[in-house]
Amino acid sequence: AQSVTQPDIHITVSEGASLELRCNYSYGATPYLFWYVQSPGQGLQLLLKYFSGDTLVQGIKGFEAEFKRSQSSFNLRKPSVHWSDAAEYFCAVGAHIDYGGSQGNLIFGKGTKLSVKP
Amino acid sequence: DSGVTQTPKHLITATGQRVTLRCSPRSGDLSVYWYQQSLDQGLQFLIQYYNGEERAKGNILERFSAQQFPDLHSELNLSSLELGDSALYFCASSAPQRDLGTDTQYFGPGTRLTVL
Repeated sequence: AQSVTQPDIHITVSEGASLELRCNYSYGATPYLFWYVQSPGQGLQLLLKYFSGDTLVQGIKGFEAEFKRSQSSFNLRKPSVHWSDAAEYFCAVGAHIDYGGSQGNLIFGKGTKLSVKP
Repeated sequence: DSGVTQTPKHLITATGQRVTLRCSPRSGDLSVYWYQQSLDQGLQFLIQYYNGEERAKGNILERFSAQQFPDLHSELNLSSLELGDSALYFCASSAPQRDLGTDTQYFGPGTRLTVL
């Protein structure tokens, strides 16, 4: 069965420091991977996605993620964190859609809450 | 702003009642997904519609139902509400990206349901 694990429930970093949020997935075929961010009281905003090709993908707000098939990981990184990055981050895996009937829902991890110290 | 709208933003009701949550997808998107976010279960997929037809069901209770109308907006109906149904309900929409193999889902701001 598909699953996503985000091992860190809560991370605190200092403003200006680098950030890495971990995500491990379990999926039988080539995964489609996503990172979403949820600010307090807000919906989910797409940060970036990996479908195929270059394993290092760039996203919005200066985030990037690297797909490592051998480690079943899709970790999110940012070289310098800003106070406005404080939020909850969700990793998700999606299935291949054949548009003939298969589902396309996402399986989410439990999320990592990021706090930023001034 | 993702382009997905959800109404209402907040809903407070009592146990045993019935409520309807509404979602308007992004222009051109044919798929609508409903998710429930709660503290204990996290983000759980409930149901998907594609161009008016039910496509997939997840962990959706029998007390819950949904539909997608010809104009592609969707409604999630929750009945016989229990305290445990209190959660944030998200709608997401996507457009077919057949050349990529899967779609990208864009989420609405959610409806926060409180059952007292």
